[in-house]
Amino acid sequence: SQQGEEDPQALSIQEGENATMNCSYKTSINNLQWYRQNSGRGLVHLILIRSNEREKHSGRLRVTLDTSKKSSSLLITASRAADTASYFCATDANDMRFGAGTRLTVKP
Amino acid sequence: EAGVAQSPRYKIIEKRQSVAFWCNPISGHATLYWYQQILGQGPKLLIQFQNNGVVDDSQLPKDRFSAERLKGVDSTLKIQPAKLEDSAVYLCASSLGRREKLFFGSGTQLSVL
Repeated sequence: SQQGEEDPQALSIQEGENATMNCSYKTSINNLQWYRQNSGRGLVHLILIRSNEREKHSGRLRVTLDTSKKSSSLLITASRAADTASYFCATDANDMRFGAGTRLTVKP
Repeated sequence: EAGVAQSPRYKIIEKRQSVAFWCNPISGHATLYWYQQILGQGPKLLIQFQNNGVVDDSQLPKDRFSAERLKGVDSTLKIQPAKLEDSAVYLCASSLGRREKLFFGSGTQLSVL
């Protein structure tokens, strides 16, 4: 398939813990993007990382990119109940196609 | 800055009927996307426009779905005739360009009975 593939499919953690989710893709990219979707709503852009970047931070979010392995990871530190959502990745090389996402549940 | 506007928010129709969704992207955004999201799945790209030209419609079921983007601004997505499996949320997104971040609308939830 051409879209990014997120892993794991589901993740359940306690508030305060860190959450890590992964994305793999198949072709060379210029950038990779992560999005969040709260139940029943549109997706919200979180962070964009370019192919010449290895790591990027935004608040409690940390994204890494390994172009040799064609993979990226999203780390959410000190998670909160409000982080409960589905998280998706997409790359420019696949015309912004999304995978099935990782469903994160943060328990208070 | 106004976001991506979609209407209607909800739509209930019977199978074999027709339905149309409307999307108004953020002003100045050249690229517009339509996605179909079935419950529990990720958004599936149906069609991508660059201005008023189609970039990718490889996953659009062209026997029943059609989309247009007149004058490179607003867009409509039509289903005719609808099937039960078309029940989903239809999301519109726009971006400045093809490699830029996407801004999504709230979606239209379609139920086909």
